[in-house]
Amino acid sequence: AQKVTQAQTEISVVEKEDVTLDCVYETRDTTYYLFWYKQPPSGELVFLIRRNSFDEQNEISGRYSWNFQKSTSSFNFTITASQVVDSAVYFCALNGGSQGNLIFGKGTKLSVKP
Amino acid sequence: DTAVSQTPKYLVTQMGNDKSIKCEQNLGHDTMYWYKQDSKKFLKIMFSYNNKELIINETVPNRFSPKSPDKAHLNLHINSLELGDSAVYFCASSLNSYPSYGYTFGSGTRLTVV
Repeated sequence: AQKVTQAQTEISVVEKEDVTLDCVYETRDTTYYLFWYKQPPSGELVFLIRRNSFDEQNEISGRYSWNFQKSTSSFNFTITASQVVDSAVYFCALNGGSQGNLIFGKGTKLSVKP
Repeated sequence: DTAVSQTPKYLVTQMGNDKSIKCEQNLGHDTMYWYKQDSKKFLKIMFSYNNKELIINETVPNRFSPKSPDKAHLNLHINSLELGDSAVYFCASSLNSYPSYGYTFGSGTRLTVV
């Protein structure tokens, strides 16, 4: 079975703090894809990143970075110097080779206070 | 032009009514989906259509009936609405039925059953 676990339900930080959102996944597929989506208070779902199972390089995009470790089945997301606009629910998702849809974790609600 | 558009954005209706939500994508994608997001923000697949053909039909009450007149449209009709149907419904599309590039989501339809 495929599963995505985001153990942190809610995180609250003060602006400029760094914060890491955890994501652990389960799949038997050797080829799979991992994603992060952001859902701000306005409600839309915004794609942040896609990573395939053969690419373990970490990725950095501005203040955002992602750490993919197959050995621990984790795909963690770090926001450096958080800002109030980062406040949102963040979802990790998995698409396995044999699965025709994205499996989402339950989301982590991040609140960044000024 | 909006890539995936859903209408209406908000829908308030009484128990027992029948309602429809429409979804259209102009991305030329082959596959479309309906997801339900409950009050705890959990996103769960309901249906998936690939080129007008139903490929995923999760355990959803048969009061919910999707219809895909062509690959650019996927509508959701709900009969005999119940209080528990209140949720945000997201339409999404992907290039094909193996969404290694993730989804493009619509902005969601907030359904409130009173």
